Order: sequence, then C-alpha cells, then structure tokens
Amino acid sequence: TAGITQAPTSQILAAGRSMTLRCTQDMRHNAMYWYRQDLGLGLRLIHYSNTAGTTGKGEVPDGYSVSRANTDDFPLTLASAVPSQTSVYFCASSDPGLAGEAVTQYFGPGTRLTVL
Amino acid sequence: AQSVAQPEDQVNVAEGNPLTVKCTYSVSGNPYLFWYVQYPNRGLQFLLKYITGDNLVKGSYGFEAEFNKSQTSFHLKKPSALVSDSALYFCAFREASGTYKYIFGTGTRLKVLA
Repeated sequence: TAGITQAPTSQILAAGRSMTLRCTQDMRHNAMYWYRQDLGLGLRLIHYSNTAGTTGKGEVPDGYSVSRANTDDFPLTLASAVPSQTSVYFCASSDPGLAGEAVTQYFGPGTRLTVL
Repeated sequence: AQSVAQPEDQVNVAEGNPLTVKCTYSVSGNPYLFWYVQYPNRGLQFLLKYITGDNLVKGSYGFEAEFNKSQTSFHLKKPSALVSDSALYFCAFREASGTYKYIFGTGTRLKVLA
C-alpha cells in the first residue's frame, strides 16, 4: 500500500510563478490536510478538507488554495509564490472520526519548496 | 488558545540511558494527545496516542508516554535509548470542536550519542 504520495519531491520556483503541489492517498480517508514545516515553528496547518467537496482554512491559509474534487486527491496551489513560502510541505490524511476523536493522521513524504 | 508546548528544542542522551521528551498541554475538556516522530527527509510517523483510561500509553519502537492531568503533561519516554532513535519528535492534540484540526508542538530534536 502506497499510503500518501506527494509530488514533486522538491522544487525551486521563481517568485511570482504559480505552482501546484500534488497529494494522493489510497487509504480512502475522508479527511486530508496540508501543513508547512518551518524551523522553530513546527507544523502549521494551511488548509484541510473533512470530506470530498469541502475545504477549510487552517492557521496559515494566505497565499494558498486547495480543492477536493474526489476522495483521493488534495492539491495545494500557490497562485503567485513569494520567498516566505519557502518551506517543506506535508500532506496528511485521516478518517475524520467524531469531533475530537483521537484518530491518527498519516503523512506523506513531503515536498521541499524553495522560492527565489 | 489551546496549545501544546515542547519546552526543549533539543535533548541529548547517551545510548542505553533512559530518555524523556517533554510536552505540556493547554486544552479544554478531555485532551486527545499524540506523539509523532520524523526521521530525516521523511514525513511524520505516528508513535502513540492518549485517549482515556491508563495514564501510561505504550507505542511503537518501545516508546511510552505518561499522561499527567495535574501537571498537564504528556512526556514521551523510553527506558533505553538507541542511536537509531535520533529524530525530531512532535507532540500534538486534536481539537474537540468538530473541526478535526490537529495542533502540533514546535518539535524536539533527540540526539542519542553512541
């Protein structure tokens, strides 16, 4: 079982350009998430989706957009990249469970993005 | 605001010695707490979680965590550290407000010295 795949593994992007980070899961999880990981700041939630067709804003959503057309895919788009978006991006998924239920998240391997 | 805190950026321990990675929480209601581990250039992997019941939770790779309600802590422990345990460790909790969001600590880097 592949679990969660992310593409690309890494990317160097010129400021002002757009880019879509891809995330696909094969576990049929309803909930999916995008995080960015920055030194000293841990993981911060960008956007999430509880089920196909719905999305929500996380802690740091500005400059990012997501869509959830189906259960398996949850792409993250940077419309006009800026250097502050240089980070490592992780996609994750889980069964949504009941509110606050202790379901486990599963993470992809990450995409390292550098915006110059 | 609800949060988890990891007060140590880095913990060094000699191989074979017990290790503790600290986590404290500020969460209303019953906290659902997690520990994840991240090896270099990898995504996070689940280690263990606390729901309710036994305050000592056993997880993967010989790790365990002790939930202490009076001290609002959920420290990660292992009786005998291995060099291969060297990694970045994250404490997290899940909001109980129906948003399904998880809040992560800033991470603690564990270095086990041979």
